[in-house]
Amino acid sequence: NAGVMQNPRHLVRRRGQEARLRCSPMKGHSHVYWYRQLPEEGLKFMVYLQKENIIDESGMPKERFSAEFPKEGPSILRIQQVVRGDSAAYFCASSPIRGPLPNTEAFFGQGTRLTVV
Amino acid sequence: GENVEQHPSTLSVQEGDSAVIKCTYSDSASNYFPWYKQELGKRPQLIIDIRSNVGEKKDQRIAVTLNKTAKHFSLHITETQPEDSAVYFCAAKVDDYKLSFGAGTTVTVRA
Repeated sequence: NAGVMQNPRHLVRRRGQEARLRCSPMKGHSHVYWYRQLPEEGLKFMVYLQKENIIDESGMPKERFSAEFPKEGPSILRIQQVVRGDSAAYFCASSPIRGPLPNTEAFFGQGTRLTVV
Repeated sequence: GENVEQHPSTLSVQEGDSAVIKCTYSDSASNYFPWYKQELGKRPQLIIDIRSNVGEKKDQRIAVTLNKTAKHFSLHITETQPEDSAVYFCAAKVDDYKLSFGAGTTVTVRA
């Protein structure tokens, strides 16, 4: 079981470009969550998706950010027209049911570290 | 929404001593409280968790206590070792699926 897979691990974008972050959940998991970690801060919830549905996007900035989890393929977090303040680590997590599973060490993927230059 | 506060922000201890990190939460409906350890450049990894129907849980050198009435919970690491040096985050589960994190505690264990 490979766990939650995120790619790329590191992504550098110039201001104004688009960033696409991918998350492949663990096999059999249909619930995906995205969190953002700004430098030297805790993780902040962004969005919760089930296959083809956005359940809660209350943590997503109103503009430039979008997320999807299609029927086939990974979940995508898209950031359009990136700015320096978007530089952060973006972590994806998955579960087979709604919510984090207790005693599950591998809840989070390895993260994508986005640097906007 | 849920607000989790964590103290201290940094903690330096001598190897072999104990380390204690405290967190408070605001939403009395929160019922699951995990603790994560994050090493530099890596993902947060669950080290211990506790549900709201339990007051204390222990796993080798790590223990967590929960006081529902006061809405606070604490992480205790005994006999600290250099490999315990990392950033530790407390969290509280909200709305069945969302984790609200504290700001983190950087623990440094001095050899």
